[in-house]
Amino acid sequence: GAGVSQSPSNKVTEKGKDVELRCDPISGHTALYWYRQSLGQGLEFLIYFQGNSAPDKSGLPSDRFSAERTGGSVSTLTIQRTQQEDSAVYLCASSLGDRAGGYTFGSGTRLTVV
Amino acid sequence: AQSVAQPEDQVNVAEGNPLTVKCTYSVSGNPYLFWYVQYPNRGLQFLLKYITGDNLVKGSYGFEAEFNKSQTSFHLKKPSALVSDSALYFCAVRDVRGYQKVTFGTGTKLQVIP
Repeated sequence: GAGVSQSPSNKVTEKGKDVELRCDPISGHTALYWYRQSLGQGLEFLIYFQGNSAPDKSGLPSDRFSAERTGGSVSTLTIQRTQQEDSAVYLCASSLGDRAGGYTFGSGTRLTVV
Repeated sequence: AQSVAQPEDQVNVAEGNPLTVKCTYSVSGNPYLFWYVQYPNRGLQFLLKYITGDNLVKGSYGFEAEFNKSQTSFHLKKPSALVSDSALYFCAVRDVRGYQKVTFGTGTKLQVIP
């Protein structure tokens, strides 16, 4: 696609429910990243994919968080048993994979856990 | 470990005046440096990057940034601010060696006053 597409744009869920967030990167971008943006906290790295593998999962905050990427394209971030502290904007970015490249970000999914 | 500091939560500047948004960084090796801008309810947009070469980097929308290795700084500048420049600005860094995730600062809100 022309840009990085994320869905849904907004998600309100009850505490304890599971949620899935989707990212569709730019076609041909081999690298995909998930970040979390909380008010006043900047961007917190979650996970990095190169193709379908995730060489860096160091930012996932707990084992309730997982992500996968299939076909070297679409990625899904899953949060199980959501907690109120999971409320944030979840941003996905993709790049060509060259180390010096900048990222192209999606518009994000605003998750609110009530 | 790598880190980025944006010491100002908010910068106010009058329209037509020059603007500076400050950024300092810390990496073990040599850095790749980036600036991104986020408009309300939008994803982050790439502005410019420093990879190597000239210390003064020119980017989108008339912005530029100066890499200063001795001061480990990468301040964002524009000669004449526009009201439409009002947004949230993020500085980011990654180490040039191997794979390193990009680390973002906490962001600086730029308010251009008409």
